[in-house]
Amino acid sequence: DVKVTQSSRYLVKRTGEKVFLECVQDMDHENMFWYRQDPGLGLRLIYFSYDVKMKEKGDIPEGYSVSREKKERFSLILESASTNQTSMYLCASSPYTNTEAFFGQGTRLTVV
Amino acid sequence: AQSVTQPDIHITVSEGASLELRCNYSYGATPYLFWYVQSPGQGLQLLLKYFSGDTLVQGIKGFEAEFKRSQSSFNLRKPSVHWSDAAEYFCAFHYGGATNKLIFGTGTLLAVQP
Repeated sequence: DVKVTQSSRYLVKRTGEKVFLECVQDMDHENMFWYRQDPGLGLRLIYFSYDVKMKEKGDIPEGYSVSREKKERFSLILESASTNQTSMYLCASSPYTNTEAFFGQGTRLTVV
Repeated sequence: AQSVTQPDIHITVSEGASLELRCNYSYGATPYLFWYVQSPGQGLQLLLKYFSGDTLVQGIKGFEAEFKRSQSSFNLRKPSVHWSDAAEYFCAFHYGGATNKLIFGTGTLLAVQP
């Protein structure tokens, strides 16, 4: 079965902290994505990666960075967390072929 | 700009009633279309997808969707709703090619009355 695993379901962090959200997929997919989900706004793409060490900005990259050192792992980094980054974060992966994306369970991050 | 519109933010139906969730997209060609469902506190699960061919596609859990090119629509339907269908539903598309970058609508929250 396809599996995308996010390391934490819930996180509480303080303003100004550096935060790492980890995502691992076991399907050997080339593409990986980080989305942010907020009520009434749907899912918005933060960053995506189409290969190891390759990344592109999505629609809302400000305040975030990413790292992809291995094909199966894609990390989202909040360099200095702020309260407006309190949100649900969803990781996804997909292969190069035209198909759907597979999602992890999500990480609900609260910044206080 | 490419976008997806889900005009209904919140819908309430009675158990056993039929359901139709609306989705319209804005794109110059025919995109790859998807419906995902999200139960509370969970990730997204794919219900169905349309890439080409028959414009009526069947998905899991008894859902179906119809692609109408003339209306740029991809509405989701179910003939008889069950209480377990209460969830949030997202329509999405991508242009194809290698990156499969999905563009999502804002979602429709479905409540089911007993």
